[in-house]
Amino acid sequence: GQNIDQPTEMTATEGAIVQINCTYQTSGFNGLFWYQQHAGEAPTFLSYNVLDGLEEKGRFSSFLSRSKGYSYLLLKELQMKDSASYLCAVREEGGSYIPTFGRGTSLIVHP
Amino acid sequence: DTAVSQTPKYLVTQMGNDKSIKCEQNLGHDTMYWYKQDSKKFLKIMFSYNNKELIINETVPNRFSPKSPDKAHLNLHINSLELGDSAVYFCASSQDDSFNYGYTFGSGTRLTVV
Repeated sequence: GQNIDQPTEMTATEGAIVQINCTYQTSGFNGLFWYQQHAGEAPTFLSYNVLDGLEEKGRFSSFLSRSKGYSYLLLKELQMKDSASYLCAVREEGGSYIPTFGRGTSLIVHP
Repeated sequence: DTAVSQTPKYLVTQMGNDKSIKCEQNLGHDTMYWYKQDSKKFLKIMFSYNNKELIINETVPNRFSPKSPDKAHLNLHINSLELGDSAVYFCASSQDDSFNYGYTFGSGTRLTVV
């Protein structure tokens, strides 16, 4: 099984940078996803990391350290529309390969 | 041109009723899923299905059953609805060899059992 931990809530200021952490424990790691979910809407895919290091996509970057069971999502130049929940999900080797989601981090961006 | 569409968007029904939620994807993906998101926003897998295999989360009551008439559809049937079934249900799909694109989710069905 998996144990995924994220902060429940974070606040930040428009234009700033915020880092949302995700730690996990798994018997056989096989990939980590980040999703964004606005209130009342579907989750949308942000990133997928399977190797160590930083993946950059525009204002969003995702980092993975498999040895530490740790990932973070970095959001730069925050905008009001970035206020949403950010979900970390981990795939495990064997079985169904279906990712398990963490409870998500609610990010509130203030003007 | 919605990639993953599910209907209805809202469903209010009484305890004990049987209901269905439909899902269709036009992405040509191999696998479809049903997730349940409870009031605490925890997204939990219920089922995964492709043309080879149905994978059921063992914690899902057998009142819930997925039905797939073809590769593009995965409907969710729920029998004898209970108050605790109230949640948002999301359908999703993925291409098995392209995880760089993640899962594509439908817009969700908010089920309220009264």
